[in-house]
Amino acid sequence: GAGVSQSPRYKVAKRGQDVALRCDPISGHVSLFWYQQALGQGPEFLTYFQNEAQLDKSGLPSDRFFAERPEGSVSTLKIQRTQQEDSAVYLCASSLEAGRSPLHFGNGTRLTVT
Amino acid sequence: GENVEQHPSTLSVQEGDSAVIKCTYSDSASNYFPWYKQELGKGPQLIIDIRSNVGEKKDQRIAVTLNKTAKHFSLHITETQPEDSAVYFCAATPGDAGNMLTFGGGTRLMVKP
Repeated sequence: GAGVSQSPRYKVAKRGQDVALRCDPISGHVSLFWYQQALGQGPEFLTYFQNEAQLDKSGLPSDRFFAERPEGSVSTLKIQRTQQEDSAVYLCASSLEAGRSPLHFGNGTRLTVT
Repeated sequence: GENVEQHPSTLSVQEGDSAVIKCTYSDSASNYFPWYKQELGKGPQLIIDIRSNVGEKKDQRIAVTLNKTAKHFSLHITETQPEDSAVYFCAATPGDAGNMLTFGGGTRLMVKP
């Protein structure tokens, strides 16, 4: 594809609901990252995949957050029992190689928990 | 872990003037320093990056300088244009952290025509 695609662009959830956010990386990109961006702040690392392997999940805020990339392409970030503090923009990014090839971001999913 | 501080948080310049944004980092092992531009409603877009084996890099109107001894790096935009208005983020990562970037808090740049 032309770039990293994320869906939905906007999601409103009632507190306690589960949500699933989807990321389609650039075709052929090995590495995939999820970041969380609170309003007015810089993105914060959540988790990282190399192909289908989740190599680092140290940034996930709690065990309510779960990410997967079962076939090494599309990834889903799932948040269970959403809380108001989960409201943020969730950014997905991919890079061609493991390591430090440039990171390409999608436009994010804005999650609002009411 | 790494901590990146970014200043100023807002910057207003007249069209044609230069803009400078500064960042400091804490982890001496960091050796990759990208800069991103984020427009409203969009994801961050890489505009320039620098690795620790060089002190300066330039791409048209944009330049980045790095001082590893002082652990700071700066973004310079010359001949600013209204379309440069956006939020700019610096970031840093240690050599073994791939693209697990630590971002600064961002600078909102406003270029007045």
